[in-house]
Amino acid sequence: EPEVTQTPSHQVTQMGQEVILRCVPISNHLYFYWYRQILGQKVEFLVSFYNNEISEKSEIFDDQFSVERPDGSNFTLKIRSTKLEDSAMYFCASREGLAKNIQYFGAGTRLSVL
Amino acid sequence: KQEVTQIPAALSVPEGENLVLNCSFTDSAIYNLQWFRQDPGKGLTSLLLIQSSQREQTSGRLNASLDKSSGRSTLYIAASQPGDSATYLCAVSGTASKLTFGTGTRLQVTL
Repeated sequence: EPEVTQTPSHQVTQMGQEVILRCVPISNHLYFYWYRQILGQKVEFLVSFYNNEISEKSEIFDDQFSVERPDGSNFTLKIRSTKLEDSAMYFCASREGLAKNIQYFGAGTRLSVL
Repeated sequence: KQEVTQIPAALSVPEGENLVLNCSFTDSAIYNLQWFRQDPGKGLTSLLLIQSSQREQTSGRLNASLDKSSGRSTLYIAASQPGDSATYLCAVSGTASKLTFGTGTRLQVTL
């Protein structure tokens, strides 16, 4: 069964460093998302992406964050200068299309900022 | 702003028992509602999706209902098994398609 793949599974970085989290959505999907879950808290929406542009972003998704679909298969989330409070589990999700509403999630990347 | 709440926060039941998890949301103008399962340290597995026009969906031992006007959904698990132990998340989507998640119910099924 097709699945959303995220790499790495765990990323450790120093505060102030840039990180790139990578995702390979399901191949025929058109809508892509990033969510995050701080330990013990709710899963929160960060950004949605369709047709090579951001369709919606949350208040959390400030200028330190960016997303990109550099080729036909990858979808990346970049955090330019990490802060301690960016430590969280980051989930990528994809959805096939307007009539197909189920969002499929990857296993997540645990980001630890030291 | 949409708020999603799940009750109870945690539940422990003996194997074989039927159980109900509750989800409520403040804005009834939803497009769909999705139930997920999350195992510790893992990703989210989609269990059921109910469109706003539907009243319920079934998959195996799982049945989800939706009462959009009252802002409520329930997830019914029949004949619970230890393998059902996980955190169950409810999430709603408006027309913008982003999901707003609830706080989750941590389920423990004991032998």
